[in-house]
Amino acid sequence: QQQVKQSPQSLIVQKGGISIINCAYENTAFDYFPWYQQFPGKGPALLIAIRPDVSEKKEGRFTISFNKSAKQFSLHIMDSQPGDSATYFCAASIRGGGFKTIFGAGTRLFVKA
Amino acid sequence: GAVVSQHPSRVICKSGTSVKIECRSLDFQATTMFWYRQFPKQSLMLMATSNEGSKATYEQGVEKDKFLINHASLTLSTLTVTSAHPEDSSFYICSARDGSGRRTYNEQFFGPGTRLTVL
Repeated sequence: QQQVKQSPQSLIVQKGGISIINCAYENTAFDYFPWYQQFPGKGPALLIAIRPDVSEKKEGRFTISFNKSAKQFSLHIMDSQPGDSATYFCAASIRGGGFKTIFGAGTRLFVKA
Repeated sequence: GAVVSQHPSRVICKSGTSVKIECRSLDFQATTMFWYRQFPKQSLMLMATSNEGSKATYEQGVEKDKFLINHASLTLSTLTVTSAHPEDSSFYICSARDGSGRRTYNEQFFGPGTRLTVL
């Protein structure tokens, strides 16, 4: 119940295209859903995050869509660029759970120039 | 923004020795810090949660006597890998939570990671 399932495992997108990464969770107590971007040899960096009382959040080219009833959320990267090539992790956390964050398995995105 | 540093960034040690990794929050007070372990091409696995001034809470399967965590101040947590062995070689990442109330309540800021290689 603590798992966050992420797909696809890897993704290749043409420059200018839309990258879509999906995540699903089971525990309805999760109350914060961040996405992290990680480059090789670096720590993850927070990209964008959403709470379950909002269905969509947009920041620049990055959009989170959240479907509370389906317990799913997704990251859309518009106008994907080669510099977006990285590993993306969805995550979920619970305030009452000591703010512990559970990570998805990660998606390796490669944007072709 | 909130900055978390880790030191060292890379360490190579001999089997049987102990290694200490420091995690510092540079511009905020971290009431809670987390330690993760990441193997190549895998996700982050939470090892333990530490709150300033109290004992760390370890995840199931993590040996608390092997991975000693100390959170002595609001800006510093340390992870000591005791009697390291080759299977402990990994990328160790810390994160810190700003408990001041100024930010999203469970937003975490990650350090750059420490690459440990045990020969």
